[in-house]
Amino acid sequence: DAGVTQSPTHLIKTRGQQVTLRCSPKSGHDTVSWYQQALGQGPQFIFQYYEEEERQRGNFPDRFSGHQFPNYSSELNVNALLLGDSALYLCASSSSPGTGAVLGNTIYFGEGSWLTVV
Amino acid sequence: DQQVKQNSPSLSVQEGRISILNCDYTNSMFDYFLWYKKYPAEGPTFLISISSIKDKNEDGRFTVFLNKSAKHLSLHIVPSQPGDSAVYFCAASAYGSARQLTFGSGTQLTVLP
Repeated sequence: DAGVTQSPTHLIKTRGQQVTLRCSPKSGHDTVSWYQQALGQGPQFIFQYYEEEERQRGNFPDRFSGHQFPNYSSELNVNALLLGDSALYLCASSSSPGTGAVLGNTIYFGEGSWLTVV
Repeated sequence: DQQVKQNSPSLSVQEGRISILNCDYTNSMFDYFLWYKKYPAEGPTFLISISSIKDKNEDGRFTVFLNKSAKHLSLHIVPSQPGDSAVYFCAASAYGSARQLTFGSGTQLTVLP
């Protein structure tokens, strides 16, 4: 059973460029969340996709956008890259958000995509 | 404004002894708490969780305690093993937040043989 897979694992981009990161959720999961983890910090929530729509969004500018496909996989796009966007980008998958009752299912993370902006 | 805080960036413990990792939160809306372990070059791995209706949850060597009045939780690892050496993240989720997690900055645990 494949877990959460992310690609690419590492990439280097230049300031001002655009980047697309990809995520395939764990089998049986239909919800994908993206997190940014800067060096020495904990992951920060960017946004969450369910049923091909953005359901929740953290405190990130519009330069960060995403998409979810019918097969539940997802992409994270970052435009006009800044040096401060250098970070590990983590994808997390889970089952449908539900009503917000007690979290019965755990959330599984991929290994992440290391983005360096130079 | 950090809503979840892990004030100890690092902790060293002798093998076989107890490791205690602490976490504080400020948002009263948080009702579910999780601990994740992260090795270098890997994604965070779920370890244990606790609902706000409980004050303790145990899973093998790992126990999480929740003190709602103090807005404090702790992870106890007994006995500690060298393989437990990793970064531990505390995370919290609020009712209705659709599993959006707010993480602390992590504690690097080193278990010395």
